[in-house]
Amino acid sequence: LAKTTQPISMDSYEGQEVNITCSHNNIATNDYITWYQQFPSQGPRFIIQGYKTKVTNEVASLFIPADRKSSTLSLPRVSLSDTAVYYCLLFSGGYNKLIFGAGTRLAVHP
Amino acid sequence: DAGITQSPRYKITETGRQVTLMCHQTWSHSYMFWYRQDLGHGLRLIYYSAAADITDKGEVPDGYVVSRSKTENFPLTLESATRSQTSVYFCASSADYEQYFGPGTRLTVT
Repeated sequence: LAKTTQPISMDSYEGQEVNITCSHNNIATNDYITWYQQFPSQGPRFIIQGYKTKVTNEVASLFIPADRKSSTLSLPRVSLSDTAVYYCLLFSGGYNKLIFGAGTRLAVHP
Repeated sequence: DAGITQSPRYKITETGRQVTLMCHQTWSHSYMFWYRQDLGHGLRLIYYSAAADITDKGEVPDGYVVSRSKTENFPLTLESATRSQTSVYFCASSADYEQYFGPGTRLTVT
């Protein structure tokens, strides 16, 4: 099973760009990389998904190098409301193999 | 309202009792999922369903039973609750790679 590794926590300040990197050394050819955001007492919310190179939406960007062994979620100009846990998830060969890791707890300070 | 709902939102039960957590979605998504989330941990997949009458085990299925007689409903039953099943339970649905999560049910087994 493909496994992901993320930093346990990160701190930032309002207005800064935040980059959260996820390592997935054993990613399979048909895996997609997906990121979710979770606020306290809520279910996770989909942010972005990518396969290779760069993907951008209205919320974030996802950078994936050519070897696909890592990915970086980039949050531009964070605000206090971006304080949450961020999960990197590989869609790996079927739903029974979905693995949410422990996530990265991002704290944004004034 | 469209979306995914869970009931009850909070439940306290005693060891040995049977408990059923309900999940309802209005999108007609084919896939539905049950996760549990324990303090300080990510989500772990309990069971999932690809369609009505099709269910399969996830990472931590022991002690749980699911059924899916209708596309929109996916109840989770704890046949004989144990203290180790105290957790927050999230239901999710999906039409493709993106999962939509419900608000969660906080279950306490005393």
